[in-house]
Amino acid sequence: NAGVTQTPKFQVLKTGQSMTLQCAQDMNHNSMYWYRQDPGMGLRLIYYSASEGTTDKGEVPNGYNVSRLNKREFSLRLESAAPSQTSVYFCASSQGKKSPLHFGNGTRLTVT
Amino acid sequence: TQLLEQSPQFLSIQEGENLTVYCNSSSVFSSLQWYRQEPGEGPVLLVTVVTGGEVKKLKRLTFQFGDARKDSSLHITAAQPGDTGLYLCAGAPPNSGGSNYKLTFGKGTLLTVNP
Repeated sequence: NAGVTQTPKFQVLKTGQSMTLQCAQDMNHNSMYWYRQDPGMGLRLIYYSASEGTTDKGEVPNGYNVSRLNKREFSLRLESAAPSQTSVYFCASSQGKKSPLHFGNGTRLTVT
Repeated sequence: TQLLEQSPQFLSIQEGENLTVYCNSSSVFSSLQWYRQEPGEGPVLLVTVVTGGEVKKLKRLTFQFGDARKDSSLHITAAQPGDTGLYLCAGAPPNSGGSNYKLTFGKGTLLTVNP
């Protein structure tokens, strides 16, 4: 049982480049989330999707866009990467808004 | 945004020792979660506490939620190298109904247990 799968695991971008981080879950969960984790900052919510077809901003949405492609997949797009977006990005899912979060293993992104 | 302060930031101990890490806030939380994160992996939920004064045990780990629901502690008895990791607490504010959408994470305590 794979749980939450994120691709790629590592990525290096130059300032101004774009990319999409992919996330898929196989637990039939309704809610999905994107977090970033920075040293000294903890985990911060970027966007979430309460259910298929809906997305909402979290604490730090600027510079990002998301797509809930279907119930399984939730992607995060950086249209014009900036060095401040260097971080480790985690996708998570949960059955409902109060259910336990299940995290993927992260994508380590470096923007030079 | 409610703030959660975790202490200590770093802790290095020998196998077999006991330890306590803390998660404190000036704000009340409707619930509080503890996660463990190992290098290169995502956080894994250990426990959720929801009632002031609540104590939960998970093998050698004991979690306590403060009576006023502003703080929590994690006590590990006879630590083992497998306990090594980043311990994160996360709280949901009172008006969120315990919703994940409003969770605030602490910065974590990085625990190293040496053999």
